[in-house]
Amino acid sequence: GENVEQHPSTLSVQEGDSAVIKCTYSDSASNYFPWYKQELGKRPQLIIDIRSNVGEKKDQRIAVTLNKTAKHFSLHITETQPEDSAVYFCAASRRPGYSTLTFGKGTMLLVSP
Amino acid sequence: DAGVTQSPTHLIKTRGQQVTLRCSPKSGHDTVSWYQQALGQGPQFIFQYYEEEERQRGNFPDRFSGHQFPNYSSELNVNALLLGDSALYLCASSTRTSGRGPQETQYFGPGTRLLVL
Repeated sequence: GENVEQHPSTLSVQEGDSAVIKCTYSDSASNYFPWYKQELGKRPQLIIDIRSNVGEKKDQRIAVTLNKTAKHFSLHITETQPEDSAVYFCAASRRPGYSTLTFGKGTMLLVSP
Repeated sequence: DAGVTQSPTHLIKTRGQQVTLRCSPKSGHDTVSWYQQALGQGPQFIFQYYEEEERQRGNFPDRFSGHQFPNYSSELNVNALLLGDSALYLCASSTRTSGRGPQETQYFGPGTRLLVL
């Protein structure tokens, strides 16, 4: 089955800095890669996703890049703010028709003012 | 537009007991997936329901079972509870495109936090 590795497990940055979280996956058939943000005690919230036919996607301060050849994808957050502090999960899913998500173990991002 | 809802929010049980958790999908969604999230871990897929049938299953024992109702809501049942079943149980809903299966984007409910003593 699919295996998703996520690094780093914790990340501390100063407000205004950029943050990068990296994930690798094992199943070459995976073609959908969402990122979720989970604040303490809350549900995972989808923040951005990317499909295999796209190499990069941006949404304001957040961007995701995908390298299908190397089987890795990354989340980039620019101009970080304290409210970005949360646990971020990457996930991978197979071809259309399968929406089972395999998650990484998460990255705790702490943005200090 | 109602989002995904789950009940109860918290639950305390003892070993050996049985528990039922409930989920109502987001309006317009017809597919429900259940995940178990242990403390400090990512969600682990349990199973998925569509058209009242279990369509996919993760690596969980038969003690975990489910059901989907005609209104798309779903239940997760866990029998013979173990201490290790203590976790946040998340329900996620999505919608199926005709002939292609569920869309990949899933929206999560707030979860039910289960503590087994």
